[in-house]
Amino acid sequence: GAVVSQHPSRVICKSGTSVKIECRSLDFQATTMFWYRQFPKQSLMLMATSNEGSKATYEQGVEKDKFLINHASLTLSTLTVTSAHPEDSSFYICSARSTEFGSPLHFGNGTRLTVT
Amino acid sequence: GQQVMQIPQYQHVQEGEDFTTYCNSSTTLSNIQWYKQRPGGHPVFLIQLVKSGEVKKQKRLTFQFGEAKKNSSLHITATQTTDVGTYFCAGDWGGKLIFGQGTELSVKP
Repeated sequence: GAVVSQHPSRVICKSGTSVKIECRSLDFQATTMFWYRQFPKQSLMLMATSNEGSKATYEQGVEKDKFLINHASLTLSTLTVTSAHPEDSSFYICSARSTEFGSPLHFGNGTRLTVT
Repeated sequence: GQQVMQIPQYQHVQEGEDFTTYCNSSTTLSNIQWYKQRPGGHPVFLIQLVKSGEVKKQKRLTFQFGEAKKNSSLHITATQTTDVGTYFCAGDWGGKLIFGQGTELSVKP
């Protein structure tokens, strides 16, 4: 089945630093990838839609200058958390779907970010 | 905006009992999808419902999509400890999936 690889799985960084998370679709091309954030015991909140070759579309309340998204190829999207603060500590999950309409999302394994 | 309400938030059952979680959308969905997330894991796709009134079964799991394509349910018959996890519905709005709050299922052996 379709596989989405996300790296790193865990990262601890100091407040004020930036962290980059990579999301790759391994066996299919993804013109669109989605970035979600999940706080403990909560649902997945869509942060932004990453579009290959164009600007990402951010959900209301998500700071685009803080969460930089780049979708440079059909198999790779990156999320950079800039100037991270402790409140940015969360579980970040990327997902991708094939170009077929209504196809399910395939999720990466997620990145546990801890900002100290 | 798009929103999917899911209840209950938690469900504790004895092994062998049945379990049901419900989702409601304020607007008509093109399709609804169900995912399961085990503790510490990532969501895993279970099924997609597209047609009005559709019913699909996967072994002990039964998924329904309402006639108006605004609500859905997941029913598990005779729960087992392996069913433990959080079940999410997700409404599809033009390719964008919005998740419900999830129902956390715990099963007591």
